[in-house]
Amino acid sequence: QVQLVQSGAEVKKPGASIKVSCKASGYTFTDYYMHWVRQAPGQGLEWMGWINPKNGDTKFAQRFQGRVTMTRDTSISTAYMELTSLRSDETAVYYCVREASFYDYWGQGTLVTVSS
Amino acid sequence: DIVMTQSPDSLAVSLGERATINCKSSQSVFYNYDNKNYLAWHQQKPGQPPKLLIYWASTRESGVPDRFSGSGSGTDFTLTISSLQADDVAVYYCQQYYYTPRTFGQGTKVEIK
Repeated sequence: QVQLVQSGAEVKKPGASIKVSCKASGYTFTDYYMHWVRQAPGQGLEWMGWINPKNGDTKFAQRFQGRVTMTRDTSISTAYMELTSLRSDETAVYYCVREASFYDYWGQGTLVTVSS
Repeated sequence: DIVMTQSPDSLAVSLGERATINCKSSQSVFYNYDNKNYLAWHQQKPGQPPKLLIYWASTRESGVPDRFSGSGSGTDFTLTISSLQADDVAVYYCQQYYYTPRTFGQGTKVEIK
């Protein structure tokens, strides 16, 4: 069965960086784009970008350009999302999501708390 | 960016009654080439990630109860829960996957009256 297992919760200070991992299993990792979506506490869902695991191509939401990097390691079927220069209002749950045209599988989410 | 607007923001429905959620996109998400609407519905329960319910506007994901149905085309879509169950208490999001950036509605919270 398809599973996306993300790394654990983290606490960061403003200005720091975070790198979240998403390990895929149950399917061929390179066959599906991986997207990242975040959700601030009590808020809605915000798209951050995607990576094509086959060739590493990426596309990001305009508001994250220059601060976000998405990479992958195909040998261990894992995608990564790194966000730099964190602000306190970026406390959120960060999700990886598999896209099979539509979003069919979500990771469990990684809570990133940004606080001084 | 495509704006997805859901209505209402919240609704309270009695057990066994019908719940209807609307979603409007600022541009059409219908693709003439494959005759499909690139619109999905996701359900999110407290403390859980979203879960896919409906894709291509009206196709139920495997394992989703048939009391959930999706309809609409172009810019106007509806999610209907025909007979609300206690387990359906959640926030529901519509999402378009035609355009980048992918965008979501603001969510509709469904509660028991």
